[in-house]
Amino acid sequence: EIVLTQSPGTLSLSPGERATLSCGASQTVNSNSLTWYQQMPGQAPRLLIYATSTRATGIPDRFSGSGSGTDFTLTISRLEPEDFAVYYCQHYGDSMFTFGQGTRLEIK
Amino acid sequence: QVRLEQSGAELKEPGASVRISCTTSGYTFTSYLVHWVRQAPGQGLQWLGRVGCLGGDTHYSQRFQGRISITRDTSTATVYMELSSLTSDDTAIYYCARERGLDFHFEFWGQGTLVTVSS
Repeated sequence: EIVLTQSPGTLSLSPGERATLSCGASQTVNSNSLTWYQQMPGQAPRLLIYATSTRATGIPDRFSGSGSGTDFTLTISRLEPEDFAVYYCQHYGDSMFTFGQGTRLEIK
Repeated sequence: QVRLEQSGAELKEPGASVRISCTTSGYTFTSYLVHWVRQAPGQGLQWLGRVGCLGGDTHYSQRFQGRISITRDTSTATVYMELSSLTSDDTAIYYCARERGLDFHFEFWGQGTLVTVSS
């Protein structure tokens, strides 16, 4: 089973700053199956990025995804107040879906 | 618009079973897969399994194999998830989520159903 490890666990930044969130896989993964979600408190996750770098419908272009092999990154170019949330990466492989443990993005 | 509406909160005793529904609308039900994902209090996301809404084929996480059943009713565009032999570790919010086959991601989610297991 592939394990996804997200870092950092918590990221403290100010609005307007750039955020870089990492997702590391225990084995090489298919880039077509690497996804990022945003979760606000009390809400269901929201699809942000799929297939490593494709933005979902309605997602602002300040969100971008990149990576390959075992290392993947979600970048938020300029943080808006509504971006402070928990972010999860997710992978599909070996007939199952796995999630990282999440990165909490908090206001500094 | 696409909607996945889940049934209400449940309180169950240890050892019992729970059945949650996910009623869909706004799209062709049989063209998609519906998955179940849960989130324990303050914790991350955990995938439980999925059903193909056309043929009813299922695939479950090995962690839940033997005590989970996911079914669908095409006449009402509803998916059901039943989890048996509940323990306090099963206390969580349970989400249904839609996937177009071979997309490997979940574009639309239900609002979540809180299941509390307590004596």
